[in-house]
Amino acid sequence: EVQLVQSGAEVKKPGESLKISCKGSGYSFTSNWIAWVRQMPGKGLEWMGIIHPGDFDTRYSPSFQGQVTISVDKSISTAYLQWGSLKASDTAMYYCARLDTGSGWYALGYWGQGTPVTVSS
Amino acid sequence: DIQMTQSPSTLSASVGDRVTITCRASQSISSWLAWYQQKPGKVPKLLIYKASSLESGVPSRFSGSGSGTEFTLTISSLQPDDFATYYCQQYNSYSLTFGGGTKVEIK
Repeated sequence: EVQLVQSGAEVKKPGESLKISCKGSGYSFTSNWIAWVRQMPGKGLEWMGIIHPGDFDTRYSPSFQGQVTISVDKSISTAYLQWGSLKASDTAMYYCARLDTGSGWYALGYWGQGTPVTVSS
Repeated sequence: DIQMTQSPSTLSASVGDRVTITCRASQSISSWLAWYQQKPGKVPKLLIYKASSLESGVPSRFSGSGSGTEFTLTISSLQPDDFATYYCQQYNSYSLTFGGGTKVEIK
């Protein structure tokens, strides 16, 4: 069974750093891109970036380039999303998801349970 | 960047209604479009991929159509479990974009 299990809820202060994780199991972790998606309270889904665990190729949404860092440790089948200095506006739910592909299609077929991040002084 | 515009943003409907949601891309994306359903406090769920292919386990009352820049998600007969928010998503050259979402409410 394919599973993506994310790290737990975080409460941080502005200016603090943070790294959240997403551990894949039930499939070959290095075969599929992993995406990160933000959902701010009461708002829609926003794509942040993707990483390929096989070759570490990483692409960012222009909206998030320079704001976050996506990485992976393929030895433990885990992808990461990190911030160097959090802002209150980073308060959101963060999802990781596996990018499934086929002949002429790409979709986020499996999702983690989400990691809620609260940034407040 | 490719922009995805969904309409309407909110839709009020009754059980049994036929519901159609539209998603327009700012440039052609062939059939690289997916649809997701999200209920409050839950993880998004893939419904449709490649514009019209039904994900395994998804009821057949859901269907997708379109190619190029205009796409639709149709629910043929709305059920109580279908009241949720729906998102379209495109993929193009290592970049993804979601539409703004359509909330389907009870009329």
